[in-house]
Amino acid sequence: AQSVTQPDIHITVSEGASLELRCNYSYGATPYLFWYVQSPGQGLQLLLKYFSGDTLVQGIKGFEAEFKRSQSSFNLRKPSVHWSDAAEYFCAVGGRTGANNLFFGTGTRLTVIP
Amino acid sequence: SQTIHQWPATLVQPVGSPLSLECTVEGTSNPNLYWYRQAAGRGLQLLFYSVGIGQISSEVPQNLSASRPQDRQFILSSKKLLLSDSGFYLCAWGLAGGSTDTQYFGPGTRLTVL
Repeated sequence: AQSVTQPDIHITVSEGASLELRCNYSYGATPYLFWYVQSPGQGLQLLLKYFSGDTLVQGIKGFEAEFKRSQSSFNLRKPSVHWSDAAEYFCAVGGRTGANNLFFGTGTRLTVIP
Repeated sequence: SQTIHQWPATLVQPVGSPLSLECTVEGTSNPNLYWYRQAAGRGLQLLFYSVGIGQISSEVPQNLSASRPQDRQFILSSKKLLLSDSGFYLCAWGLAGGSTDTQYFGPGTRLTVL
């Protein structure tokens, strides 16, 4: 069965510092992988996605993520965090079914300190 | 371009009252449609998905039901709300038969059951 683990419930970083949010997945085949961001009281916005090819994918807002098959990971990174990046981040894996269902992690809340 | 709407944005309902949340998508045809619930401090739980008019799949047995009366309209309902139905409800759409599993989310509805 598909599953996604985000081991960090809450992370606090200083503005300008680098960021890495962890995501581990369980899936029987090559997965589709996603990172979404959710600002308080808002819907989810797609940051980036991996389907195939280059394992380092670039997304919006300066984010990138690296797919590591050997570690079953898809960690999200940003070299310099801005105060506006404070939000909740969700990792998801695609089930590659006819309905294209996604399976989400429980999220990591990011706090940015000035 | 495609847009997804949800209403109402917020809703406060007494226990035992009925519920109807609406989601509509513009700019695409025959999308896959999804309802998720996000409880406080938790991830996203897929409630229902639909691959076509009148076709509803339920992921979690519960007090809720869904309907798709039109191609781009998805409705979440309940005959009698429970306290545990409180949460943030998100609608999403994806390309039918798409090979990428990408889902795009609406702004959400905050439901409080008192």
